[in-house]
Amino acid sequence: AQSVSQHNHHVILSEAASLELGCNYSYGGTVNLFWYVQYPGQHLQLLLKYFSGDPLVKGIKGFEAEFIKSKFSFNLRKPSVQWSDTAEYFCAVSAPMNTGFQKLVFGTGTRLLVSP
Amino acid sequence: EPEVTQTPSHQVTQMGQEVILRCVPISNHLYFYWYRQILGQKVEFLVSFYNNEISEKSEIFDDQFSVERPDGSNFTLKIRSTKLEDSAMYFCASSVGLSGNTIYFGEGSWLTVV
Repeated sequence: AQSVSQHNHHVILSEAASLELGCNYSYGGTVNLFWYVQYPGQHLQLLLKYFSGDPLVKGIKGFEAEFIKSKFSFNLRKPSVQWSDTAEYFCAVSAPMNTGFQKLVFGTGTRLLVSP
Repeated sequence: EPEVTQTPSHQVTQMGQEVILRCVPISNHLYFYWYRQILGQKVEFLVSFYNNEISEKSEIFDDQFSVERPDGSNFTLKIRSTKLEDSAMYFCASSVGLSGNTIYFGEGSWLTVV
C-alpha cells in the first residue's frame, strides 16, 4: 500500500527565510505527486503536481517541488516565504485503483507559521 | 474559479443520530469523492463515485455510510447512526476525469458527535 511521510509537523520561519518541507512516499509503481495547501479556514488547494517530465515542478505563489525518484522524495521549496504562506501543507501521492480512479494518500501535514 | 461547496460547515450531533453532509461538485465534473480527517490525523480516502455508483471505497466506508447523487448537482454523504469516532472534518472533492486530472476539494464539513 502507498504511504506518505512528512517529517516536519511544525515549522516556524521568519519572513524572507527559505523553506523546504520534506515528503517521502512508498510505492513501487508509477505515481502522481501533489502538494496541497490549506490556509486557515479554507479548503485544500492544489499548489503543484507532478505526473511526468521535468522533475522540477513549479507551482503557484512561488512554490516549487523536486521529484527525486531514487529517493522516493518530493520536497516542497520556496526561496523566500511571506507571512501569507502561513498554512498547513499536505503532500499526497496517487496511484490508479482497479477501476482507474485515483486515490489520494496524504501525509500528516506540516503546519507552517511565518512570523512577520 | 469554480469551487466545490459543502454544507453544513459545522454540525454537532448526538451519537446514534443520522447525519447527511451535502456537497455541490464543480458543474462539469464527473467524478466525486469523500475524504475525511480526524483531528490530528491524516486526510483519508473514503469513497469515489462515478455514473451514479460507488467505484471504490475504503475499509472505513462500512455499512453505516452511504453516498448518493439525488439530483444533477448535489452529492451527499450519509452516516446512518453516528459514533463518537465519526467526529472529523469531511471533505468532498471532484474531478473532471481520472488519473491526470486535478482533484478539487471543498472547504470541509466539521462533524462533532457527542
